[in-house]
Amino acid sequence: GIQVEQSPPDLILQEGANSTLRCNFSDSVNNLQWFHQNPWGQLINLFYIPSGTKQNGRLSATTVATERYSLLYISSSQTTDSGVYFCAPYMEYGNKLVFGAGTILRVKS
Amino acid sequence: DAMVIQNPRYQVTQFGKPVTLSCSQTLNHNVMYWYQQKSSQAPKLLFHYYDKDFNNEADTPDNFQSRRPNTSFCFLDIRSPGLGDAAMYLCATSRGGRGYEQYFGPGTRLTVT
Repeated sequence: GIQVEQSPPDLILQEGANSTLRCNFSDSVNNLQWFHQNPWGQLINLFYIPSGTKQNGRLSATTVATERYSLLYISSSQTTDSGVYFCAPYMEYGNKLVFGAGTILRVKS
Repeated sequence: DAMVIQNPRYQVTQFGKPVTLSCSQTLNHNVMYWYQQKSSQAPKLLFHYYDKDFNNEADTPDNFQSRRPNTSFCFLDIRSPGLGDAAMYLCATSRGGRGYEQYFGPGTRLTVT
């Protein structure tokens, strides 16, 4: 099955710093989602991005499907950005997201 | 606002006592999913409904069942919860077809005593 690797596994930032999270996947995918899981456990949709670049405020994402990776950029980080960030490519065959192990982000004030 | 709702948010059950978790949606989506997420792990798909068609993941234990009486509601039944079933249970929905965006509810955190 498809393998999804996220890096780094853990990241500590000072408030105001920028960061890049990476997601590599081993096979062709139909689509890809990025999620933020908040401290209460809810998965918040950040991006739905099969290819190209999208921006939403301080966050942006880029997926290069032909090279099998996606990047999530967080600029001017805030303490509320803390949590776990999951990348989840959508398997080409089947109605199924495959989650990476996540990146745990801690933003310190 | 259209959304995915899960009840209850927190559930405590006893070892071996059946429990039912509920999910409803106002998005009118064809597909509803149940995921299990244990501490410090990624969500794991248990099964999903595409309209009335039930699709079980190969490694989902028989102890987990699901019902979808109509488009809006889907239930997760755990017939005999064990201590290892303590987890966050997440419901999600999407439109039909391949690759549509999934939207998640807030989750139900299950404790087994």
